[in-house]
Amino acid sequence: AQSVAQPEDQVNVAEGNPLTVKCTYSVSGNPYLFWYVQYPNRGLQFLLKYITGDNLVKGSYGFEAEFNKSQTSFHLKKPSALVSDSALYFCAVRDSSGGSYIPTFGRGTSLIVHP
Amino acid sequence: GAGVSQSPRYKVAKRGQDVALRCDPISGHVSLFWYQQALGQGPEFLTYFQNEAQLDKSGLPSDRFFAERPEGSVSTLKIQRTQQEDSAVYLCASSFSSVQGPSTDTQYFGPGTRLTVL
Repeated sequence: AQSVAQPEDQVNVAEGNPLTVKCTYSVSGNPYLFWYVQYPNRGLQFLLKYITGDNLVKGSYGFEAEFNKSQTSFHLKKPSALVSDSALYFCAVRDSSGGSYIPTFGRGTSLIVHP
Repeated sequence: GAGVSQSPRYKVAKRGQDVALRCDPISGHVSLFWYQQALGQGPEFLTYFQNEAQLDKSGLPSDRFFAERPEGSVSTLKIQRTQQEDSAVYLCASSFSSVQGPSTDTQYFGPGTRLTVL
């Protein structure tokens, strides 16, 4: 079974400060991990993914995420937040064992960046 | 290029009505997924197509839900005799399907159809 947790419903950060949105996962095999962003009344937009290789993954709009196998985490980060980064962020996982193609999404974290 | 499109964007139905939701995936994308997103939740898997074949429908909540993709491109999600608990945003996503398989593929989402059942 696969699962993902986003422990924070909301993250508040001042513009220009670094931001972190947390994600932890549970899988039987190796994880395939994804981050998506959702703006109001829009679908999910892909930010980045970890499949294999370098633990630090760089994605769109200056976001990056670090895969930590020992802590089963895949936290999303950005060095300097923008007001326009305010949105809903979803972490998703697929388990490599059994060739699962169905992702499990977290409940989402609302990021609010204050001017 | 064009992304995934869905229509209608909003649908209000009276309880007991049938509805049909359409998804136009990105051209050439082999895989197509339908999700249901309740308010304040992440997307929940409903069904998966590879070309015209429906390979997994384990997430469909009842036999009132039916999906098809007859020519391997456009897909329709039909809900018969709608109930209030069907109110949600229905998202469609497509992916190209690399040689590594759909597990590693990036999914591209449409804007969703917000269904409200009165």
